[in-house]
Amino acid sequence: DTGVSQDPRHKITKRGQNVTFRCDPISEHNRLYWYRQTLGQGPEFLTYFQNEAQLEKSRLLSDRFSAERPKGSFSTLEIQRTEQGDSAMYLCASRDRSRDKLLNTGELFFGEGSRLTVL
Amino acid sequence: EDQVTQSPEALRLQEGESSSLNCSYTVSGLRGLFWYRQDPGKGPEFLFTLYSAGEEKEKERLKATLTKKESFLHITAPKPEDSATYLCAVRPLGNRDDKIIFGKGTRLHILP
Repeated sequence: DTGVSQDPRHKITKRGQNVTFRCDPISEHNRLYWYRQTLGQGPEFLTYFQNEAQLEKSRLLSDRFSAERPKGSFSTLEIQRTEQGDSAMYLCASRDRSRDKLLNTGELFFGEGSRLTVL
Repeated sequence: EDQVTQSPEALRLQEGESSSLNCSYTVSGLRGLFWYRQDPGKGPEFLFTLYSAGEEKEKERLKATLTKKESFLHITAPKPEDSATYLCAVRPLGNRDDKIIFGKGTRLHILP
């Protein structure tokens, strides 16, 4: 079990540049989530996927943000024309909804996060 | 609007000094309440799920309890390795959304 993997772990960019983060969930997990966390705050929901379908997007996700999960495996989160307010930790999580119905924990498995600093 | 409020924001305890963290929530219906632990620079790590008032779960020095409006995370005789941020989260009931709403967390520091 390799867990949820995120890449890169750290990214420093200049305002106005585009950045892309990748998340590889646990292999049998069909649900994948993106959260954003700033210092001293809890994770804020951005979006989630059931396999390759994006089922929900937060109002926090402006038009500059786009997420994909082609083929229902890994996911990418792209931020275009970055702003200093985008500086945060971007967390990915996954769960196996089918298995979870049996175990009934609702547990999300989080990755280590991708920290973005926009200068 | 669904909301989760945690208190205190930060707590410093001596090793062995028991205490409780509070999580109050406002949701239209509750499908589950979760406690996570987060170490600095890491993603949250799952601790417990509670589903109904009166339910309790235990793990080592931690015990989580649930009422209709709040949850408590009791920590008994804590050790320095229990120092972390403890996050409370809820999954609201009633729609197809599967988002989990987190509180801001309580930063717990256990002094040796």
